[in-house]
Amino acid sequence: ETGVTQTPRHLVMGMTNKKSLKCEQHLGHNAMYWYKQSAKKPLELMFVYNFKEQTENNSVPSRFSPECPNSSHLFLHLHTLQPEDSALYLCASSFGPGDTEAFFGQGTRLTVV
Amino acid sequence: AQSVTQPDIHITVSEGASLELRCNYSYGATPYLFWYVQSPGQGLQLLLKYFSGDTLVQGIKGFEAEFKRSQSSFNLRKPSVHWSDAAEYFCAVYSGSARQLTFGSGTQLTVLP
Repeated sequence: ETGVTQTPRHLVMGMTNKKSLKCEQHLGHNAMYWYKQSAKKPLELMFVYNFKEQTENNSVPSRFSPECPNSSHLFLHLHTLQPEDSALYLCASSFGPGDTEAFFGQGTRLTVV
Repeated sequence: AQSVTQPDIHITVSEGASLELRCNYSYGATPYLFWYVQSPGQGLQLLLKYFSGDTLVQGIKGFEAEFKRSQSSFNLRKPSVHWSDAAEYFCAVYSGSARQLTFGSGTQLTVLP
């Protein structure tokens, strides 16, 4: 248990669906991250938020829309996804974007059909 | 730009045998280096980290890693592997300029009884 909780753990969605992933941390961290983990590929950093403000968007397609209403919660809204978007989506947090150590959630296993 | 290479995609060892997982990095300045472990269906857990000082660092679960600047390596070792060590292991380097972690592709460890 790292203190970062992601829901749901598993999600199957059609390409026309809209769904959201949720991440929550009560570690007092101010920075939160979304990573994508695909088979046989390194973890890809998608978004970074610091004090609710987005500071990084690593060329992520607009069908992924993050939201950070406060420093403890982070969402990833999904719409019109493609099968190649199927992956494990990991949320992480740290004291700041300049802080080196990140704490990871257990991930949401997303399957797009 | 920084990069991390884990040359071994999959390693199999017998329980009780010693283990070494390789990690090579590319980074212009003094690196901050990490090893994370991911058990099936779980998020990433930090095993150990190197910032400065003693080049041999101790981590949790009996793991250690040695930083060798001349070889740009940060290999993970354990003297006697337990069946519960079966997991995927990720090496990562932190970039101060980009303020983000860059991960390797991971090494899957299988432990035989």
